[in-house]
Amino acid sequence: EVQLVESGGGLVQPGGSLRLSCAASGFTCSSFWMSWVRQAPGKGLEWVANIKQDGSEKYYVDSVKGRFTISRDNAKNSLYLQMNSLRAEDTAVYYCARSTVVTDETYFYYYYMDVWGKGTTVTVSS
Amino acid sequence: NFMLTQPHSVSASPGKTVTISCTRSSGSIASNYVQWYQQRPGSSPTPVIYEDNQRPSGVPDRFSGSIDSSSNSASLTISGLKTEDEADYFCQSYDSSNVLFGGGTKLTVL
Repeated sequence: EVQLVESGGGLVQPGGSLRLSCAASGFTCSSFWMSWVRQAPGKGLEWVANIKQDGSEKYYVDSVKGRFTISRDNAKNSLYLQMNSLRAEDTAVYYCARSTVVTDETYFYYYYMDVWGKGTTVTVSS
Repeated sequence: NFMLTQPHSVSASPGKTVTISCTRSSGSIASNYVQWYQQRPGSSPTPVIYEDNQRPSGVPDRFSGSIDSSSNSASLTISGLKTEDEADYFCQSYDSSNVLFGGGTKLTVL
């Protein structure tokens, strides 16, 4: 069964750090782009970041650039999101998603997320 | 970047047909594929339409997608509504190096 399981969420103070993990099973993670998408309480979906199969390309939404870092370990079939300088507005459920992406490094020509995990909750509060 | 605008909510009775729109603010709706995701309460999103009108394996043919260049919008149509279709639905597209979601539409099956 194709599955993604996120972990690492929790309560953190503003300015703090957290590292999210996503464990993939049932498919070869190294064959796919992977994405992080978040959903603030009662709000819609917001794409956060993605990473190419070999980790050579990474893209971020403007609001997290310089604070969040996406990475992967294909040997462990795992995806990560290192979140630093956290703010209250980063409070959300964070989902990892298997993705199919076509890009020339400046423009997305195709983007589809076909498998999603159940999410992990990040709360930034003092 | 453009925005994707969806109605906040729609409702219909079981057995009826409902259509949810997703309007692109600038640029042609036909320029980039539109995907649709269903999110039932307490669950994660799952795709119901990709590439404007394609159904993933396992999604019933009651779900269909289309685009309309005259209104610059995409639509998700669900026919033969069932109570299990009650959920939030999000459209998604992409542009430049960004991925964009609509604000979501809450479907209530009365």
